[in-house]
Amino acid sequence: AQTVTQSQPEMSVQEAETVTLSCTYDTSENNYYLFWYKQPPSRQMILVIRQEAYKQQNATENRFSVNFQKAAKSFSLKISDSQLGDTAMYFCAFIGGNAGNMLTFGGGTRLMVKP
Amino acid sequence: GAVVSQHPSWVICKSGTSVKIECRSLDFQATTMFWYRQFPKQSLMLMATSNEGSKATYEQGVEKDKFLINHASLTLSTLTVTSAHPEDSSFYICSARNPGGRETQYFGPGTRLLVL
Repeated sequence: AQTVTQSQPEMSVQEAETVTLSCTYDTSENNYYLFWYKQPPSRQMILVIRQEAYKQQNATENRFSVNFQKAAKSFSLKISDSQLGDTAMYFCAFIGGNAGNMLTFGGGTRLMVKP
Repeated sequence: GAVVSQHPSWVICKSGTSVKIECRSLDFQATTMFWYRQFPKQSLMLMATSNEGSKATYEQGVEKDKFLINHASLTLSTLTVTSAHPEDSSFYICSARNPGGRETQYFGPGTRLLVL
């Protein structure tokens, strides 16, 4: 079974600075996808970024980028130039090619961006 | 693109009544939708996988007679909480998998259920 671990329950960062959220996962599969979702106070789950395991290049979306280390099974999220609107819960998630399309979520990291 | 709606967003009901929550994919067809439950300050817990035209697959510990799921079309799945009790009060979220979206699930805005 796949597991996803987020070791940082809470983090804070000053506005305009950079923060990195950690995520590790465990799987025996070789083909899979990884995601970071953001859940602001509205509780709407918003896709931030995704990474296909077969791609070596790290995904980037504007101020958001990942550091995907397949051998280490690590998938961290870097937020650059943090904004107040980035304050939210962030969930790392995994879906395997053979897992029946079921997302496995980490426990989440609560990020507070301070002015 | 890839918008998922959920209705209602907020419902209060009396104990013993049934509540239906709708999940719609607005701009794509979703053969598979998912229903999650989220307790405060916790992660999402998958309740069931809803497949168009067939019976839903429930996760261990989820009562299928309690949480009825119907996926009647490629854009609509419904979750009915039957004979709701206060312990069913929670935040329910649906998601839909976009077949062309590289295994990505898009989430509805959620439904807050309060059973008195």
